Amino acid sequence: EIVLTQSPATLSLSPGERATLSCRASQSIRSYLAWYQQKPGQAPRLLIYDASNRATGIPDRFSGSGSGTDFTLIISSLEPEDFAFYYCHQRTNWPHTFGQGTRLEIK
Amino acid sequence: EVQLVESGGGLVQPAGSLRLSCAASGFTFSSSWMSWVRQAPGKGLECVATINQDGSEKYHVDSVKGRFTISRDNAKNSLYVQMSSLRAEDTAVYYCARGVGTMGDYWGQGTLVTVSS
Repeated sequence: EIVLTQSPATLSLSPGERATLSCRASQSIRSYLAWYQQKPGQAPRLLIYDASNRATGIPDRFSGSGSGTDFTLIISSLEPEDFAFYYCHQRTNWPHTFGQGTRLEIK
Repeated sequence: EVQLVESGGGLVQPAGSLRLSCAASGFTFSSSWMSWVRQAPGKGLECVATINQDGSEKYHVDSVKGRFTISRDNAKNSLYVQMSSLRAEDTAVYYCARGVGTMGDYWGQGTLVTVSS
């Protein structure tokens, strides 16, 4: 099973600041990495697929990069609605797995 | 408009069974990989099972193998998961999802399954 490790577990920032979230895979997943945002009581929302492609309707302040084992999600300037949980996901091998999540909280 | 609507959740006793359904509309269901993803209360996300377009390929995570079975009926635009020998650790919100992690990704709002006596 491919393990995805996200860091940090919690990120405390202010609106307007830049957020950098990391996801490391236990083995190469090529570029089959997605990023999700989840708010309490809601289903996850796809932000980025295949490491660097923004999903439909996602603002360009969200960007993804990486390949192989190391991936990054950057939110260039935080808006109030961006404070939520973020998960990475790989679909290279079954079982498809998620990272444990990063909580992005308001400082 | 794409819609995935789950149903069938509820309270069930340990060792009991439950069948979840997902009604799909607004897209060509028979062309899509479909999955069940669950989230235990206050925890992260887990891919439980996935099935290919015609149902000939099915994959289940080890923790549910032999207890859960994913299936689909393309004539009814419906996805199912039959869950048996349920345990307390199966308590979660179960999401029906299309193409998880791909450009065609779409999720339902989920149905809560609670396993408790």
